Amino acid sequence: DVKVTQSSRYLVKRTGEKVFLECVQDMDHENMFWYRQDPGLGLRLIYFSYDVKMKEKGDIPEGYSVSREKKERFSLILESASTNQTSMYLCASSFKRGRGNTEAFFGQGTRLTVV
Amino acid sequence: AQTVTQSQPEMSVQEAETVTLSCTYDTSESNYYLFWYKQPPSRQMILVIRQEAYKQQNATENRFSVNFQKAAKSFSLKISDSQLGDTAMYFCAFMVDTGANSKLTFGKGITLSVRP
Repeated sequence: DVKVTQSSRYLVKRTGEKVFLECVQDMDHENMFWYRQDPGLGLRLIYFSYDVKMKEKGDIPEGYSVSREKKERFSLILESASTNQTSMYLCASSFKRGRGNTEAFFGQGTRLTVV
Repeated sequence: AQTVTQSQPEMSVQEAETVTLSCTYDTSESNYYLFWYKQPPSRQMILVIRQEAYKQQNATENRFSVNFQKAAKSFSLKISDSQLGDTAMYFCAFMVDTGANSKLTFGKGITLSVRP
């Protein structure tokens, strides 16, 4: 079974804190993604990575950064958390084209509250 | 830029009946993939069905099937014999996979309620 594991299910942080959200996958996937999910807005892509140390901005990268030092791990960093970053964060991973099915597998999400 | 549009925010269907969820997308690419994902109240996102754009035949998975109209850029999901466990949010998604452009873009989702 493919597993995508996010480090926390619920997280409460204070404004201005540096926040790390960790995601680990065990299927040797090349692609990894970070989304935030808000009611009425669906899933919006923050960043994605198609290889180790490679990253691409998604649709809403402002206020976030990412790190991919190892193939199985993709970290989302909130440099200085703000209340408008309160949201559900979802991590996903998939094979690149030609390596297998292209479907993305998701973690269970981290509900982050910034107070 | 790729966009995915799900214009219906909510739908409701009687158990055992059939329901169709709509999705349109916009892209200039010719090779891509389309997906429908389900997110039940447990929050775990799971794949319902996948369609490769180069395949003309519509994908089918048990009670779930799609109507893929490439020229119209339309990708609707039909759920037959609806069950209470189908109650969830459903997201249409689109991916162009060319290495650096492996963006997976989602629509806003639709909340489906199945009534007993």
